[in-house]
Amino acid sequence: DAGVTQSPTHLIKTRGQHVTLRCSPISGHKSVSWYQQVLGQGPQFIFQYYEKEERGRGNFPDRFSARQFPNYSSELNVNALLLGDSALYLCASSLAVGREAFFGQGTRLTVV
Amino acid sequence: TQLLEQSPQFLSIQEGENLTVYCNSSSVFSSLQWYRQEPGEGPVLLVTVVTGGEVKKLKRLTFQFGDARKDSSLHITAAQPGDTGLYLCAGKYNFNKFYFGSGTKLNVKP
Repeated sequence: DAGVTQSPTHLIKTRGQHVTLRCSPISGHKSVSWYQQVLGQGPQFIFQYYEKEERGRGNFPDRFSARQFPNYSSELNVNALLLGDSALYLCASSLAVGREAFFGQGTRLTVV
Repeated sequence: TQLLEQSPQFLSIQEGENLTVYCNSSSVFSSLQWYRQEPGEGPVLLVTVVTGGEVKKLKRLTFQFGDARKDSSLHITAAQPGDTGLYLCAGKYNFNKFYFGSGTKLNVKP
């Protein structure tokens, strides 16, 4: 079975641009969460979605948004990129809210 | 805000040595997970502990959840170079949120 897949794997953007990151959960998993991991730190929770509805939001500015589609895949959007947004963005899927999370390999975003 | 504090931050040991890493919080968690992450990869789940005082073993790795469900430890016996990586603990808090510690970076030298 395929695990969590994220695309793209690497991305370079310029300050002020916007970016869309994509995630496909494990088959049968209905919940997707997004995390930001800055170099040298643990992942920080951004959003959780379940059945296409937002179920949790971390302490991130409104420039960050996400959505979940009927097939349970998800997109994370970041507008007006800042240098500080450079990080590994991780997607995790789980059967439901509060269940064990399984991570994708992440998207490495570099803002220059 | 780091709800979970991990120690030590860095650990470099020789192959065959034993080690323990710690994950502490002032908050109570309904469950706690340990992950290992290698450079450029996502975290890989090692174990989930749920009950206070619970001990779980995974080959040479022993995980313990504190009685009050506020802390946890990971003990590795006879470490091997393949154990090298970033070890992260994550606590489930407020039903649907997972908070990660900043991790312990382990290097096992052959």
